[in-house]
Amino acid sequence: QKEVEQDPGPLSVPEGAIVSLNCTYSNSAFQYFMWYRQYSRKGPELLMYTYSSGNKEDGRFTAQVDKSSKYISLFIRDSQPSDSATYLCAMSHGLIQGAQKLVFGQGTRLTINP
Amino acid sequence: NAGVTQTPKFRVLKTGQSMTLLCAQDMNHEYMYWYRQDPGMGLRLIHYSVGEGTTAKGEVPDGYNVSRLKKQNFLLGLESAAPSQTSVYFCASSASMATYTGELFFGEGSRLTVL
Repeated sequence: QKEVEQDPGPLSVPEGAIVSLNCTYSNSAFQYFMWYRQYSRKGPELLMYTYSSGNKEDGRFTAQVDKSSKYISLFIRDSQPSDSATYLCAMSHGLIQGAQKLVFGQGTRLTINP
Repeated sequence: NAGVTQTPKFRVLKTGQSMTLLCAQDMNHEYMYWYRQDPGMGLRLIHYSVGEGTTAKGEVPDGYNVSRLKKQNFLLGLESAAPSQTSVYFCASSASMATYTGELFFGEGSRLTVL
């Protein structure tokens, strides 16, 4: 069983829709939770970061962490065609000798149709 | 603002050949990483480095070697390539900081095919 599970999709929604992306995990030691966005033929880039349980909002994006259920979500409001990308969840225990050893989900490919 | 640069971007190898992927970062970051990305598997950590002259194994280190002779460079070597090493390889770096942010800066990837 993978430590982090993410539905690979693909997910296709119309412009303006609310998108919900999710990951589950098995390691209760994870404390830091991230969402990375990866455009086609590019490297991932950090989109959202949260620590422990709770919500975090940044513009049209909201990240939620429920540690009791080992479940994290990313919501995108008023989705735009420019949001079309692969979204990767990532998590970790914290710094190890200063290094950030992240465990990634498989990624969900999202397409927003105009 | 180059950030993290990987060379080459594409390479085709025959089974048993060797090659080296080069990663260079211009952000003076202390920490560097090599990941591979395969369909349905996500990103998996191969090796990482916590500073010049140091390296450590990640989740899937077998068949790979690394070196960090200069702070800005991190090399990934395949001594005898196998078809199972066909993948997209990403280099990343992160800064030394007291507060954890989870932010890695990635290159654009190197696509390797082993025939």
